[in-house]
Formats: sequence, C-alpha cells, structure tokens
Amino acid sequence: HVQLQESGPGLVKPSETLSLTCTVSGGSIGSYYWTWIRRPPGKGLEWIAYISYTGGTKYNPSLKSRVTISVDTSKNQFSLRLSSVTAADTAVYYCTKFAWGQNWFDPWGQGTLVTVSS
Amino acid sequence: QSALTQPASVSGSPGQSITISCTGTSSDVGGYDFVSWYQQHPGKAPKLMIYDVSNRPSGVSNRFSGSKSGNTASLTISGLQAEDEADYYCSSYTTNSARVFGGGTKLTVL
Repeated sequence: HVQLQESGPGLVKPSETLSLTCTVSGGSIGSYYWTWIRRPPGKGLEWIAYISYTGGTKYNPSLKSRVTISVDTSKNQFSLRLSSVTAADTAVYYCTKFAWGQNWFDPWGQGTLVTVSS
Repeated sequence: QSALTQPASVSGSPGQSITISCTGTSSDVGGYDFVSWYQQHPGKAPKLMIYDVSNRPSGVSNRFSGSKSGNTASLTISGLQAEDEADYYCSSYTTNSARVFGGGTKLTVL
C-alpha cells in the first residue's frame, strides 16, 4: 500500500516562499497524479494543484500565480512551492494521489501544519 | 472556481439517518459522475468514503451511501453511530480537469 508523508518548515515568514515535500513509500511514483490540498484553520479543504509522473500539471486558478508543483521520480518525491505567503496561507497541508481515469483522492498523508507569521 | 455548497452542520441521534447535500453547477457536480466524499476526524487525515457518486471503497461500512440529482450530490449515513461524528467533505471533478471541494459539514451525533 502506498503511503505518503509530508515534510517541511512549520513556520514561514510573510512574503517568503513555503516549500513542502511529500515522500511516497510502498509504491512507485509512476502512473499516478500527485496532489496537494490544504485546510486553513476553521475552514474547509482547498485543492491546490496536481502533477503527473511525467510532469504535466494543473493548478487551482486562485493560486496559480504563486504555486509551483514538481516531481522527482529518482527520490519518489513531489514538492510544493507557494510564494509571497500571507497569514491566509496558514493551513494544514496534505499530499495525496489519484490514478488516471479515477477521480478520487486516496490515500492521504497525515498533513503538516504551516504557520505564516513573523 | 467556487467551492461546492454544503450545510455547515447536521446532527442526528444514534440509529437515525442523516443526509448531507453538496451543491455545485453544471461545470462540476452536474456535469460529471465524479463526486467523492471524505470523512475527517479531528487531527486526522481525510478518509475516502464514497467515489464516483455512489461507490464505496473496500472497508467502508454499507451504512454510507451516495447519490446525485442534477447539480446536487448527497451523502446518506444510516444507523448513525458515535464514531460517525466528524467533518465531511464532498469533492468533484470540474471542467478543465481541475478539482473542487465543498466547504465541509460538521456531523454531530447527539
């Protein structure tokens, strides 16, 4: 069974860039679409972006200008970069996946809290 | 893209049934049979409960069921149990291959 684990700084200063990595274990990063989703405190889930193992990407239009998603097949990892962060970007960030032809997210990482504060 | 609309909260007593609605548009919920539902307990990762409108993954109780009519999808939980108390989110495929979530519904088991 594929397992996912998020990692990265828990505290980022306003205007700086948030960087997170998701490590995939128990399976190959090939053949799937790798996704970042976040949940701000007291709010609902928000889809951020996904990337295929070949590098094709899709971004949430509301975040597209600030988001970059990338994949490193040699390390079985994929990453998220979110630039010019503000307090509104404080959230628990989750990584997850879906398969081509399937439109559901499973499984999910445990999530990592990122706080934007000076 | 706008978030799908869910009620902020629903409640029910043990043994009862509840339904959570998820309303979108013809560009998401109404246009595709690609609605999924997730359960999230506090401090835990979301768990897939329903996919493609009405299909249950292996291991999910048959007390959980999904349906769709027009631009509105629904999650029904029958025979409510204390452990069903959680937040529930719907998600849909959208035009241009994007994805969108609902705002979430807090289920309270009285």
